[in-house]
Amino acid sequence: SQQGEEDPQALSIQEGENATMNCSYKTSINNLQWYRQNSGRGLVHLILIRSNEREKHSGRLRVTLDTSKKSSSLLITASRAADTASYFCATVLRMDSSYKLIFGSGTRLLVRP
Amino acid sequence: ETGVTQSPTHLIKTRGQQVTLRCSSQSGHNTVSWYQQALGQGPQFIFQYYREEENGRGNFPPRFSGLQFPNYSSELNVNALELDDSALYLCASSLYGARVRYEQYFGPGTRLTVT
Repeated sequence: SQQGEEDPQALSIQEGENATMNCSYKTSINNLQWYRQNSGRGLVHLILIRSNEREKHSGRLRVTLDTSKKSSSLLITASRAADTASYFCATVLRMDSSYKLIFGSGTRLLVRP
Repeated sequence: ETGVTQSPTHLIKTRGQQVTLRCSSQSGHNTVSWYQQALGQGPQFIFQYYREEENGRGNFPPRFSGLQFPNYSSELNVNALELDDSALYLCASSLYGARVRYEQYFGPGTRLTVT
């Protein structure tokens, strides 16, 4: 099973509104990352928040992390039609001398013009 | 743009055939990871290569294999294709070493359809 699970699975909002996506994970983490994926394309790294951080901002993005609840949220403020995409949270799993990202199933965001 | 390129963009193969997908890492990166993303799902880790050796593997059978070359480009080979192998295959490059942040930079992916 996947480490991260996003909620909701799908979200439809009007342009200008805020979009909030949540992610829950199962094990302790070093950091948590959010990625964006336009339809059927590669993933783009949005923001990384370390386990000792509680909130981080990047432009219109705000990420929070609650390690006691093993959850994170991504807030996109003043959404635009161009924000329409799938958003994934990912946690890092160390494996001996390597590591892998474990992704949730994603939130599909539709921003209506 | 991440600087990571993949080829081909799309591929159609028949069950039982073999396929090779290619990836060129971002300049300066020494690690490449491959992921399989089924429709409507998040990417699933296949394996990672570092210094031309497999450096970690997910829950994929041995018919999934790879190579990393001295210039850090990489190949993913899948033998005996099955219908369930139909997916978007993503390559991600990163820099592994001291003070690593575990960020990965993804290519645009190769869409594989097995009929």
